[in-house]
Amino acid sequence: EVQLVESGGDLVKPGGSLRLSCAASGFSFSGVWMDWVRQAPGRGLEWVGRIRNGGTTEYAAPVKDRFIISRDDLRNTLFLQMNSLKPEDTAVYYCTTVASYGFPSPIDYWGQGTLATVSS
Amino acid sequence: DIQMTQSPSILSASVGDRVTITCRASQNINTWLAWYQQKPGKAPKLLIYKASTLESGVPSRFSGSGSGTEFTLTISSLQPDDFATYYCQHYTTSSITFGQGTRLEIK
Repeated sequence: EVQLVESGGDLVKPGGSLRLSCAASGFSFSGVWMDWVRQAPGRGLEWVGRIRNGGTTEYAAPVKDRFIISRDDLRNTLFLQMNSLKPEDTAVYYCTTVASYGFPSPIDYWGQGTLATVSS
Repeated sequence: DIQMTQSPSILSASVGDRVTITCRASQNINTWLAWYQQKPGKAPKLLIYKASTLESGVPSRFSGSGSGTEFTLTISSLQPDDFATYYCQHYTTSSITFGQGTRLEIK
């Protein structure tokens, strides 16, 4: 069974940093592309970025140059380093897997999410 | 950038009704479109991908159609468990774009 468990969400001041983690199990983590998706309170879903197997990354425009996605394939863990945080980054952050249905593929599995709050 | 626009934003319906949600892309996206269901406080669930392929385990009352710029999600006979928010998603090998969501509520 695929399991994705996020952690690290917290209250942080504007301009601060936060590192989210996602512990993955139940699948071959090293071979899977992984995405982060966020959802501001009461709002819709917003894609944050992607890391492919091999480590190449893509980012959405609002977070490019501030957020960094990385992975540790030995520990089956995904990370999201968030710097220069703004109040509009307040959201539940979901760790997700990209399906293996060929190229391209949609997101299939989601974690339960972790809340990051940016406020003074 | 490609924009995804869903309509309506809110849909009121009754158990047993047939409902359709529309998603429009700002340019041709072939059939690279998925649909998700999200219930309050829960993560989204994949329903349909490649515009019309039902994800394993999803009830057959859900169906998707369309290509190019216009897509629909149809629920043939609403069940109590179907009242939720639905999102369309355009996916590529390098990015993902969501529609703004359609809240399906009980009439």
